[in-house]
Amino acid sequence: GENVEQHPSTLSVQEGDSAVIKCTYSDSASNYFPWYKQELGKGPQLIIDIRSNVGEKKDQRIAVTLNKTAKHFSLHITETQPEDSAVYFCAASIISASKIIFGSGTRLSIRP
Amino acid sequence: EPEVTQTPSHQVTQMGQEVILRCVPISNHLYFYWYRQILGQKVEFLVSFYNNEISEKSEIFDDQFSVERPDGSNFTLKIRSTKLEDSAMYFCASSEAGWTEAFFGQGTRLTVV
Repeated sequence: GENVEQHPSTLSVQEGDSAVIKCTYSDSASNYFPWYKQELGKGPQLIIDIRSNVGEKKDQRIAVTLNKTAKHFSLHITETQPEDSAVYFCAASIISASKIIFGSGTRLSIRP
Repeated sequence: EPEVTQTPSHQVTQMGQEVILRCVPISNHLYFYWYRQILGQKVEFLVSFYNNEISEKSEIFDDQFSVERPDGSNFTLKIRSTKLEDSAMYFCASSEAGWTEAFFGQGTRLTVV
């Protein structure tokens, strides 16, 4: 089955700097890659997703890149702000399937 | 903005007891899911549900677990005889069409003592 690896497990960046979180997946059939943000005491919230027919997608300060050949994808957050502090999960799925597989999460801390 | 709601937010139960976790998915969604997250670990898939039947389930979802959509609006997860290792945060999610843009509830923290 699908396995998603995520690095780093913790990340601390200065406010205003960029943060990058990387993930790899094992199943070449996966074609949908969402990213979730989980704040303390809340459920995961979808922040951005990318499908395998594109290599990059951007939404304001957040961007995702996908390299299908290497089977890895990344989340980039620019101009980080204190409210970006949270746990971020990458995930992979086959669109026609009925489940997604999550990575292990990255705890992002923004230093003032 | 529509949201997935889960009750209770925290449930404490004795080992061996049955628990029912409740979820109200977003009203026009057709696909429903349960996930769990043991403290500090990744979110794990349990089961997906569509058209009043289970679409897929993980190895975690054994005979102790069951799901039901009893009244067209609620979606429940039942654990028949809880074990200590069932202690986790349980998340319900729903999506409009397959596994895209799934929305998660805030979770139910289950503590088995």
